[in-house]
Amino acid sequence: DIVMTQSPDSLAVSLGERATINCKSSQSVLYSSDNKNYLAWYQQKPGQPPKLLIYWASTRESGVPDRFSGSGSGTDFTLTISSLQAEDVAVYYCHQYYTTPLTFGQGTRLEIK
Amino acid sequence: QVQLQQSGLGLVKPSQTLSLTCAISGDSVSSNSAAWNWIRQSPSRGLEWLGRTYYRSKWSTDYAVSVKSRIIINPDTSKNQFSLQLNSVTPEDTAVYYCVRQGWYFDYWGQGTLVTVSS
Repeated sequence: DIVMTQSPDSLAVSLGERATINCKSSQSVLYSSDNKNYLAWYQQKPGQPPKLLIYWASTRESGVPDRFSGSGSGTDFTLTISSLQAEDVAVYYCHQYYTTPLTFGQGTRLEIK
Repeated sequence: QVQLQQSGLGLVKPSQTLSLTCAISGDSVSSNSAAWNWIRQSPSRGLEWLGRTYYRSKWSTDYAVSVKSRIIINPDTSKNQFSLQLNSVTPEDTAVYYCVRQGWYFDYWGQGTLVTVSS
């Protein structure tokens, strides 16, 4: 199984400041035949299902604010929120869809400092 | 716009069977480009993929090893829905269960159903 490990487990950032969440996979999720990273990021607020933010490691889902960006390749990935807004308080998950079993990181809780 | 509507009982007794259904609108369970998944979430296990069904000239299923001996995911083309059956449940199966569409990644989620396993 591909183990996804996020860091930190929780993060407190001031409004308007940058938030950075890291995700490391236990093996590469870069598929050589199409040169795509099979890595997505989700945001989950209390009482709601996860919401897709980023796929292919760096492609923003339609309607997602451009303050959210994804980067990285192979085994190391980053979700960045460039200027934190109050509505960004949530738990964030990375997810690999490279192979079954499909797996998620343990989540990073983002709060306002 | 794809919508997934979950239904099923929220309380199941230990050793019995958990059954949930996910009704699809805006897409087809027989789509050649989608897979239909069940994922659960609990404080102890986090987000856990359970399995999926999909149609690519024929029906196929993939299951997580952790539940493989107890799970059945079935499509129902007549009602455009799919179902989850998890047998011999224990309190460790208590979780919020989601049905989820997958193209490549998970893009559409059901609303979630809290299933509690308790006598």
